[in-house]
Amino acid sequence: DTGVSQNPRHKITKRGQNVTFRCDPISEHNRLYWYRQTLGQGPEFLTYFQNEAQLEKSRLLSDRFSAERPKGSFSTLEIQRTEQGDSAMYLCASSLSTGEMFFGSGTQLSVL
Amino acid sequence: TQLLEQSPQFLSIQEGENLTVYCNSSSVFSSLQWYRQEPGEGPVLLVTVVTGGEVKKLKRLTFQFGDARKDSSLHITAAQPGDTGLYLCAGDFYNTDKLIFGTGTRLQVFP
Repeated sequence: DTGVSQNPRHKITKRGQNVTFRCDPISEHNRLYWYRQTLGQGPEFLTYFQNEAQLEKSRLLSDRFSAERPKGSFSTLEIQRTEQGDSAMYLCASSLSTGEMFFGSGTQLSVL
Repeated sequence: TQLLEQSPQFLSIQEGENLTVYCNSSSVFSSLQWYRQEPGEGPVLLVTVVTGGEVKKLKRLTFQFGDARKDSSLHITAAQPGDTGLYLCAGDFYNTDKLIFGTGTRLQVFP
């Protein structure tokens, strides 16, 4: 286990298409977070899971966004009907309940 | 909405110079963290400060948490080109489990 893994690293899509990203956290980490980061800005919180339960969702997460963590291990983030404003780096992080947050390398989404 | 403001937004200096980055908020945080991020990678934790007035040193980096737990600073002594990157402060509010990130300071150190 070498850390948080995100796939794909890059995704280019056309406006209106659906995309799905995957995050594999550090094994035994019960918390998993999704953040979005645009160029020159700090990451913005989207949502987080404690095991398989989604405990909080940001207002930034519109109805077109959905995240799952079905077995409390890996997580997926789906964006439906993508818009150009969705272009950003999507970061996943994991942690123990009271521990350091470890980030993956992110998925860079470009919507044309 | 970002609740943590960092300054300066950009900093370009020569190797060997000292610099300070500031992180300010109107809210009280239970703890505050500093991260460094390189292009195409996720943020990497540098330090966590918990106690108001706390000072932590990590080699040439000195971190301070304000007495009121609303602000923090990062001071780098004798900056090196390897210090180049995006520096982010992040705080967590009491009774929440998520980190709120600052606006970031992009540092460029020239040899």
